[in-house]
Amino acid sequence: DQQVKQNSPSLSVQEGRISILNCDYTNSMFDYFLWYKKYPAEGPTFLISISSIKDKNEDGRFTVFLNKSAKHLSLHIVPSQPGDSAVYFCAARGLNAGNMLTFGGGTRLMVKP
Amino acid sequence: DVKVTQSSRYLVKRTGEKVFLECVQDMDHENMFWYRQDPGLGLRLIYFSYDVKMKEKGDIPEGYSVSREKKERFSLILESASTNQTSMYLCASTVAGQGAWTPLHFGNGTRLTVT
Repeated sequence: DQQVKQNSPSLSVQEGRISILNCDYTNSMFDYFLWYKKYPAEGPTFLISISSIKDKNEDGRFTVFLNKSAKHLSLHIVPSQPGDSAVYFCAARGLNAGNMLTFGGGTRLMVKP
Repeated sequence: DVKVTQSSRYLVKRTGEKVFLECVQDMDHENMFWYRQDPGLGLRLIYFSYDVKMKEKGDIPEGYSVSREKKERFSLILESASTNQTSMYLCASTVAGQGAWTPLHFGNGTRLTVT
């Protein structure tokens, strides 16, 4: 049973608009949430994270929102650029789990010029 | 910059063969991980290691074993490859720590096909 789920396998957005990627989780013991980006033929690279004690973290064009009551987080990319086209993985860390992560299934984002 | 190197980009093996996937990191990281990536399932943890000669099972260890004889090297072994082990295999490393989270650094992956 997947503890971290990304229900949208793909998303298409026009360049310059907002991209919103969603992630749901079931384990209330997760204490860190993060997003990784993956280009074809490359390994995933860390994008942004958020602690469970916060509800928002922003880094340039990327903002992650956490709604603990709904067990939901989202990644907003504004404005979207063609270079953002990639697969995005949501991941979570359990309390006292060290650096072990549980990943979602991924969402493929396509940003059209 | 952290470098995690996986020795092979592509591998094609036959059912029943013993397969070795090698991973080397150059940052003296204590923790190393092996994941497999399958469409719709994301990344699933096979095995991890907190230090030399130490190993722990992840979520899907069946059919796999690992070896960590040196700190920089973490090997994934498929004792008898099967077609359901056709996948993208990703190695990752990070520093040790139970406190604030530190990013996992991934290699570029090995795409294994078992025929």
